[in-house]
Amino acid sequence: EPEVTQTPSHQVTQMGQEVILRCVPISNHLYFYWYRQILGQKVEFLVSFYNNEISEKSEIFDDQFSVERPDGSNFTLKIRSTKLEDSAMYFCASSRDRGAGELFFGEGSRLTVL
Amino acid sequence: GEDVEQSLFLSVREGDSSVINCTYTDSSSTYLYWYKQEPGAGLQLLTYIFSNMDMKQDQRLTVLLNKKDKHLSLRIADTQTGDSAIYFCAGNSNSGYALNFGKGTSLLVTP
Repeated sequence: EPEVTQTPSHQVTQMGQEVILRCVPISNHLYFYWYRQILGQKVEFLVSFYNNEISEKSEIFDDQFSVERPDGSNFTLKIRSTKLEDSAMYFCASSRDRGAGELFFGEGSRLTVL
Repeated sequence: GEDVEQSLFLSVREGDSSVINCTYTDSSSTYLYWYKQEPGAGLQLLTYIFSNMDMKQDQRLTVLLNKKDKHLSLRIADTQTGDSAIYFCAGNSNSGYALNFGKGTSLLVTP
């Protein structure tokens, strides 16, 4: 069964460092997303991406965040200068259609900022 | 944005049925979802229901939607210890791009 894959599974970084989280969405999907889950809290939407541009972003997704689809398979989330409060599990997701039917999530990348 | 509320904890005995409830505020959500998260793992899509449906059954899972009361429930028949996990209710936003999640219901199944 096709799945969304994410790397790394866990990254530890120092405050102020740049981090790139990588995702390979399901191959025939057109919509890509990043969500995050701070420990013990609910899953929060960050950004959606379609047709090589951001289609929607939340208040959390400020200028420190950026997304990119550098080639036909990868979808990345970059945090330019990490803060302690960026520590969370970051989930990538993809779907074939917008807002309809099945949205598939990856296993997540745990980011720890020290 | 949408507010999605769930009870935080449910404990059932193995073999019993579990019912996890969710209320939401955004009546424009066209799809409502149930996701399962096991410890240390990602979000697994269990099932979803289109907003013009009242009920959807998928093996041991039954989803009931009361659109008037904005109430969604997930019933797990013959609950097993492997069903112990956190269950998240979610609805799609107005734009259709974002899912709004509840805080999750932690289900504990005891032998």
